[in-house]
Amino acid sequence: EAEVAQSPRYKITEKSQAVAFWCDPISGHATLYWYRQILGQGPELLVQFQDESVVDDSQLPKDRFSAERLKGVDSTLKIQPAELGDSAMYLCASSSLYNEQFFGPGTRLTVL
Amino acid sequence: AQSVTQLGSHVSVSEGALVLLRCNYSSSVPPYLFWYVQYPNQGLQLLLKYTSAATLVKGINGFEAEFKKSETSFHLTKPSAHMSDAAEYFCAVSDPPNTNAGKSTFGDGTTLTVKP
Repeated sequence: EAEVAQSPRYKITEKSQAVAFWCDPISGHATLYWYRQILGQGPELLVQFQDESVVDDSQLPKDRFSAERLKGVDSTLKIQPAELGDSAMYLCASSSLYNEQFFGPGTRLTVL
Repeated sequence: AQSVTQLGSHVSVSEGALVLLRCNYSSSVPPYLFWYVQYPNQGLQLLLKYTSAATLVKGINGFEAEFKKSETSFHLTKPSAHMSDAAEYFCAVSDPPNTNAGKSTFGDGTTLTVKP
């Protein structure tokens, strides 16, 4: 069964350092999403791609966060510099029809 | 604009009892609605979806949900709870494809506890 892959699963970093997360969506899924999930809350959309184009990044803190999907397949989300408040689960999802989203296992980020 | 409200951040039931998790939505266009389940340190898994077909939707693991337009609700139910149902449940609303880029909004989640 096809799955969304994410790496790393866990990341511990110190504040002011740079971190990067990788996501490989299900093959053929044109839409890719990055979410941030704070403990006890629902996922919050950071950025949405349609193929290689950004269609929504209104909630992405662009002073420190960046995302790219250069070839319209896999994607990277970067934070530089990391802050204590960035500690959260970062989820990647992809979809094809009906906006049914398939989620990866997530990356748990801890900023010390 | 779309929004989702999940009533009750924590629900506790006994094993074998009825599970009812409440979700109300707001959307300016006919919505697509979803329920997802999340186990600790994992991603979200789709339980079921409503995409403007039958109003009673059956999903995996014995869950079902009914779309009620007049009440703007999409409550999740299961007749008999199992210990393995203990998890976090999220309701989500989405605009149809080709509308607002199909953006989805998630509720804050309901933690289901199942007592033996």
